[in-house]
Amino acid sequence: AQSVAQPEDQVNVAEGNPLTVKCTYSVSGNPYLFWYVQYPNRGLQFLLKYITGDNLVKGSYGFEAEFNKSQTSFHLKKPSALVSDSALYFCAVLSGGSYIPTFGRGTSLIVHP
Amino acid sequence: DTEVTQTPKHLVMGMTNKKSLKCEQHMGHRAMYWYKQKAKKPPELMFVYSYEKLSINESVPSRFSPECPNSSLLNLHLHALQPEDSALYLCASSQGDYRSYNEQFFGPGTRLTVL
Repeated sequence: AQSVAQPEDQVNVAEGNPLTVKCTYSVSGNPYLFWYVQYPNRGLQFLLKYITGDNLVKGSYGFEAEFNKSQTSFHLKKPSALVSDSALYFCAVLSGGSYIPTFGRGTSLIVHP
Repeated sequence: DTEVTQTPKHLVMGMTNKKSLKCEQHMGHRAMYWYKQKAKKPPELMFVYSYEKLSINESVPSRFSPECPNSSLLNLHLHALQPEDSALYLCASSQGDYRSYNEQFFGPGTRLTVL
């Protein structure tokens, strides 16, 4: 069984400040972790993924995420937020033997000017 | 071409109508997916095609009928829908077999309203 939790419905941050969107997971076996972003009235857009290797993963638009096995977390980060980063962010997990991604409930990121 | 396209963008239909949603990709991806998404919720997987064969059907009602005519095209045929079927329908594709743990590329979606 696999599950993913995004504990925050909404994250507010001022432009220029660092941002973090949290994700924790539960799997049996090795996790394959993904972050997607969805702008209003659009489909999801892939940001980054962790399969294996370095715990710090760099992705599109300056985003990065850190895989922490002991805390079963994969938080999304960006050093300096932009107003245009405001969107809905989804964390997703796959694990060995399960080929259907489980998505978190989504976190709405609002970046204030 | 790194896009997944979907037509139409918007669709309004009555409960007795028959309509189809279309999805196209030219990235050479061999796995294609249909999702249903309600507002502010995560997408829910409906169907997976891998190498043009239906591989996963997530217990979707028979009023939704998928079709994969070739490796670039995916259709979703709709018939006798209910108002609760109103949602954003997303198509996605990924490289290789769907069991490859690859990221998915999503289209912009079709906003469906059932009256």
